[in-house]
Amino acid sequence: GQNIDQPTEMTATEGAIVQINCTYQTSGFNGLFWYQQHAGEAPTFLSYNVLDGLEEKGRFSSFLSRSKGYSYLLLKELQMKDSASYLCAVRATTDSWGKLQFGAGTQVVVTP
Amino acid sequence: NAGVTQTPKFRVLKTGQSMTLLCAQDMNHEYMYWYRQDPGMGLRLIHYSVGEGTTAKGEVPDGYNVSRLKKQNFLLGLESAAPSQTSVYFCASRDHNEQYFGPGTRLTVT
Repeated sequence: GQNIDQPTEMTATEGAIVQINCTYQTSGFNGLFWYQQHAGEAPTFLSYNVLDGLEEKGRFSSFLSRSKGYSYLLLKELQMKDSASYLCAVRATTDSWGKLQFGAGTQVVVTP
Repeated sequence: NAGVTQTPKFRVLKTGQSMTLLCAQDMNHEYMYWYRQDPGMGLRLIHYSVGEGTTAKGEVPDGYNVSRLKKQNFLLGLESAAPSQTSVYFCASRDHNEQYFGPGTRLTVT
């Protein structure tokens, strides 16, 4: 089985930086994903890491350490529209059908 | 492209009633998934399909059935709804490493 942990909620000020941590325990590993979900909407894909290191995409970056079972999503230059839930998800090597196991999500609140 | 669409958007059922949720995608994806999302529990996989005519159980399949008669459609059925099935249901299709989600169906069972 898989266990994925991330904080329930984080609050940050507009223009600041927020780091959302995700730890996982899996029987295998074949990728870690981050999704953004605004209230009442569908999740949308943000990033994918399968090798150790940092992947940067504009204001968002995602980091992975496979040996530590750890990832983080870094949101820079926060904007009000970044207020959303951020979902960490893991794909196991034992699965070849692309199934993902999701964490419960981290609600990020951006204040003026 | 419409992407992934779901119907209906909202539904209220009485305990014991049945219904079918429809998911359609126009991206020619082989893989499709049904999830439910409940507060504090994240997305949980109900059933999935790896191609037309195939279906498989996910993490929480009890009380649900699915069919994939056409590649673009993935149907989720509730034969006898229970209050525990009150949830938001999301359908998704996959291309390489990205899953594309539909807008969701908010179902309440009373």
